[in-house]
Amino acid sequence: KAGVTQTPRYLIKTRGQQVTLSCSPISGHRSVSWYQQTPGQGLQFLFEYFSETQRNKGNFPGRFSGRQFSNSRSEMNVSTLELGDSALYLCASSLRLSIGSGDTQYFGPGTRLTVL
Amino acid sequence: SQQGEEDPQALSIQEGENATMNCSYKTSINNLQWYRQNSGRGLVHLILIRSNEREKHSGRLRVTLDTSKKSSSLLITASRAADTASYFCATDALITGGGNKLTFGTGTQLKVEL
Repeated sequence: KAGVTQTPRYLIKTRGQQVTLSCSPISGHRSVSWYQQTPGQGLQFLFEYFSETQRNKGNFPGRFSGRQFSNSRSEMNVSTLELGDSALYLCASSLRLSIGSGDTQYFGPGTRLTVL
Repeated sequence: SQQGEEDPQALSIQEGENATMNCSYKTSINNLQWYRQNSGRGLVHLILIRSNEREKHSGRLRVTLDTSKKSSSLLITASRAADTASYFCATDALITGGGNKLTFGTGTQLKVEL
C-alpha cells in the first residue's frame, strides 16, 4: 500500500502570494490532518478533514484554509503569505474506524515552504 | 500550543546503550503516540498506547504510560546509529464529537555514536 504523498515537496514563494499544498492519503483512509512544523513553535495542528467536512481546527488565522475531496485527497491553502509561514507542512491520514477510538496517524514526507 | 514537555531535550549515547525519553502532558487523553523524525523529514509512527494500557512493547521499543501522573516514557534498547533522530510524543485528546487532533511535545534529539 502506498503511503501518504504530498506535493510539491519544496516551494519558494514571496510575501503576499498564496500557495496551495496537496495531500493524498493512504488508500481507504478517510481522515486527513494538517500540521505545521517550525523551529520556534514545533509541531502544531492546523485542521482535520473527514468525509469532506472540517472536523477540527487549530489556532491559526483565517489565511490558512483547507478542503477535502470525495476521494479523500486534501488541499490546504495559505493566502497573503508572511515570512513566518515558512515551515514544514505535514499531512497525516488515518482510518477513523470509530469516533472516540483514536487511531494511528500516518504522516507524509511534508512540503517545505520558504517565504522570501 | 504544545501539550507538554519532553525530557531530555537532547541525549547522546554510545551504540548498544539504552535510551530513555520522557514525556509529560496536561489534559486527559484517548491515547499517546510516539513518532520519530529524521532531519526535518516526515514523521514515522513508532507505537500507540491507549489510555487504559500501562505498558507496550514493539521490537526494541518499550513505552509506559502513567495517566495519574500524565506522563509517558519511551525506552529504546540496544541503540544503533540508525536510531539517531528526533523523537516526539503526541497525545490524542478526548474531543467531543470525535476527531483526530494530535498535540505534540517538544521532542528529544537522540544521537547514537559509534
